[in-house]
Amino acid sequence: RKEVEQDPGPFNVPEGATVAFNCTYSNSASQSFFWYRQDCRKEPKLLMSVYSSGNEDGRFTAQLNRASQYISLLIRDSKLSDSATYLCAGGSQGNLIFGKGTKLSVKP
Amino acid sequence: NAGVTQTPKFQVLKTGQSMTLQCAQDMNHNSMYWYRQDPGMGLRLIYYSASEGTTDKGEVPNGYNVSRLNKREFSLRLESAAPSQTSVYFCASSEWDSDEKLFFGSGTQLSVL
Repeated sequence: RKEVEQDPGPFNVPEGATVAFNCTYSNSASQSFFWYRQDCRKEPKLLMSVYSSGNEDGRFTAQLNRASQYISLLIRDSKLSDSATYLCAGGSQGNLIFGKGTKLSVKP
Repeated sequence: NAGVTQTPKFQVLKTGQSMTLQCAQDMNHNSMYWYRQDPGMGLRLIYYSASEGTTDKGEVPNGYNVSRLNKREFSLRLESAAPSQTSVYFCASSEWDSDEKLFFGSGTQLSVL
């Protein structure tokens, strides 16, 4: 099975902290990469796509390193509302493999 | 705009019973998927349909069948439910030609007793 691995956490951080998640993938043929956010008992929701050039959306920055086969997510100035499970995903057309998720808890 | 709609939201079955999970999307997406999510296992692909009229097995297809009824609808059928099929089921859709962003339905919590 082509794997996508990520640290399950939990990551417990104070408000305002910067937190980084990494995710490794085993299938070098993977073409598309994403970070999803999943709140408890809810569906995963797309947070952002991940590109080799790196991309930023407000407080969130995602990076792809194809040579080392990992993707990363950086969250700056953490908010209480960022508390959730973050899923990385990678794959090709019709077969997106998800990691098991990293739980983030942001404390006051 | 509803996105991806799944029914039912909750279901309890007895071992051996059958049921069909319904999924519909209104985003005109070509591709549709069924995933299951179990504690400690993450999301696993059951079946997917790249386009209307085609279906393919994913990682865990045993015990399931699917039907791509039309471009909008993709159903998942359990012919003879087993306790191992207790899970949360998510339907998703995406554009085949783009970078495979998946949009998920709200999920079905299924318990098989």
